[in-house]
Amino acid sequence: KAGVTQTPRYLIKTRGQQVTLSCSPISGHRSVSWYQQTPGQGLQFLFEYFSETQRNKGNFPGRFSGRQFSNSRSEMNVSTLELGDSALYLCASSRSGPEAGYEQYFGPGTRLTVT
Amino acid sequence: GQSLEQPSEVTAVEGAIVQINCTYQTSGFYGLSWYQQHDGGAPTFLSYNALDGLEETGRFSSFLSRSDSYGYLLLQELQMKDSASYFCAVWDNFNKFYFGSGTKLNVKP
Repeated sequence: KAGVTQTPRYLIKTRGQQVTLSCSPISGHRSVSWYQQTPGQGLQFLFEYFSETQRNKGNFPGRFSGRQFSNSRSEMNVSTLELGDSALYLCASSRSGPEAGYEQYFGPGTRLTVT
Repeated sequence: GQSLEQPSEVTAVEGAIVQINCTYQTSGFYGLSWYQQHDGGAPTFLSYNALDGLEETGRFSSFLSRSDSYGYLLLQELQMKDSASYFCAVWDNFNKFYFGSGTKLNVKP
């Protein structure tokens, strides 16, 4: 079956702009999580959605937001971009929550560069 | 928050066995996971330990000891393709996911 897809793969934005990233999970997966990966901070949890509800949020400012649609596809939005937002943004999908072992399947990521 | 510590880099020879440790400070979590990430690639799931003890999946095994706040990933019969970064991770009781700092494994011929 098809894996997790993310669009776009690469993006260049200017400080102050906003950006929307998209993620399509594996068919049948209802949980979608977003992560930010940078050389300095490593992999950091942004938020997780399950059946269109945000179940939890990591320690990121309110400029980072997301949503999930009824077909489980998810988007994340970053407003008022800062240089420090330059990172690889990864989306991961899972069939269910941690009780099931939470095996996550990651997409290829969106490389965001803020200039 | 949670803290998961891993060695930053490990080097081993093809065909050898290598152990990557993960020590953590956490108030509670469902289980310990391991992920592999090749340069330029996305993390891929390797294993999950919900309970203490050893889980074996082919050449890879993972161990968890909650009483010692410690886990490890054991890679046997190392191959060149095993050169990658390895991350331990926990999904804590507050529904947040934390990754360790990552261990870069270099496999040499």
